[in-house]
Amino acid sequence: NAGVTQTPKFQVLKTGQSMTLQCAQDMNHNSMYWYRQDPGMGLRLIYYSASEGTTDKGEVPNGYNVSRLNKREFSLRLESAAPSQTSVYFCASETGVVTGELFFGEGSRLTVL
Amino acid sequence: KNEVEQSPQNLTAQEGEFITINCSYSVGISALHWLQQHPGGGIVSLFMLSSGKKKHGRLIATINIQEKHSSLHITASHPRDSAVYICAVNETSGSRLTFGEGTQLTVNP
Repeated sequence: NAGVTQTPKFQVLKTGQSMTLQCAQDMNHNSMYWYRQDPGMGLRLIYYSASEGTTDKGEVPNGYNVSRLNKREFSLRLESAAPSQTSVYFCASETGVVTGELFFGEGSRLTVL
Repeated sequence: KNEVEQSPQNLTAQEGEFITINCSYSVGISALHWLQQHPGGGIVSLFMLSSGKKKHGRLIATINIQEKHSSLHITASHPRDSAVYICAVNETSGSRLTFGEGTQLTVNP
């Protein structure tokens, strides 16, 4: 089992460029999440998806869009990257049927110049 | 005020010491998670609790729902335990998780 797979692991963008972070899980989980982690701050929720076909805003959704393409995949898109979006991004999933153990991807380090 | 507060923020210990990290929260929860993050690494789930106490090896996690408080204990600490330990709660109001800022633990040999 691969668990939660995120790509890319590293990315450097120029201000205004767009990109998509991909996340896939092979555990048949219902709930998937995108977080960002910044120095001195806890993980902050960007968007989440409680089930296939649904998405909801988290704490810091501005500048991001998401797609829950199917049960396995949950992508995060930056349409016009800004330096404030420089961060480490984590995708996570859990069963969602009842509150379950969290599984995280390895993280994606994004730098916006 | 953060809904999930951890203490201490930083903790340095000598190998073999008993370590306690605390987590207090202000919202109603359905579950609480303890996570571990090694430097430059991913995040691993250690425990998920909704009541009582859980033990895994040298790690023990407890939760007091009435007091809205949880503790993570490490017995016979070792340098490989050096990591950031993060508390997170599932709020009963929805499926969202709220995270504490983490506790940086350093265990010296």
